[in-house]
Amino acid sequence: ETGVTQTPRHLVMGMTNKKSLKCEQHLGHNAMYWYKQSAKKPLELMFVYSLEERVENNSVPSRFSPECPNSSHLFLHLHTLQPEDSALYLCASSPGVRGDYGYTFGSGTRLTVV
Amino acid sequence: TQLLEQSPQFLSIQEGENLTVYCNSSSVFSSLQWYRQEPGEGPVLLVTVVTGGEVKKLKRLTFQFGDARKDSSLHITAAQPGDTGLYLCAGGTGTASKLTFGTGTRLQVTL
Repeated sequence: ETGVTQTPRHLVMGMTNKKSLKCEQHLGHNAMYWYKQSAKKPLELMFVYSLEERVENNSVPSRFSPECPNSSHLFLHLHTLQPEDSALYLCASSPGVRGDYGYTFGSGTRLTVV
Repeated sequence: TQLLEQSPQFLSIQEGENLTVYCNSSSVFSSLQWYRQEPGEGPVLLVTVVTGGEVKKLKRLTFQFGDARKDSSLHITAAQPGDTGLYLCAGGTGTASKLTFGTGTRLQVTL
């Protein structure tokens, strides 16, 4: 496979569930990102990882917990979410963390919290 | 806080028409990127412009970076239904670890 792959594509979870989103990149990039995309809002940056080290946590609630075991894989662990957390969650990668690098995005996970 | 405002928010046109989407900020960016996002997919990078006044062409799409590097425009000539999607601009600052994304322009091209 090439590019950035996200699984699952769709997820419905209750507020008491625990689930994880997975992202894998096959581009040899050193930086990976989690973004949240809600209706009528700009893309919101959640987390930034550079070479498996978290370099930015954009004031995200603790019910979202990222994990980056290596430079190719990124996870977002979810627990006790709220209905307002329903959104499209996008993973992206780039060659480095400089803001000038273009991002390669995955297709996203459409999350619905019920 | 850096903000990127895009206009218009929504645009519905017929095939063959021309259109321009604007991306404006009060902040200076070292680069400006444009992405297109189709329903159910992630954004796809179309172009990166890095020099004030730079113009890049990609088939029927023309991208321009403002002289002061605070704004950009995307012009589409003879729009086609395949151009339908959400267009996002994003500004980079060179040293920061993130891009600032714009508010988006949703384009629909009908037959």
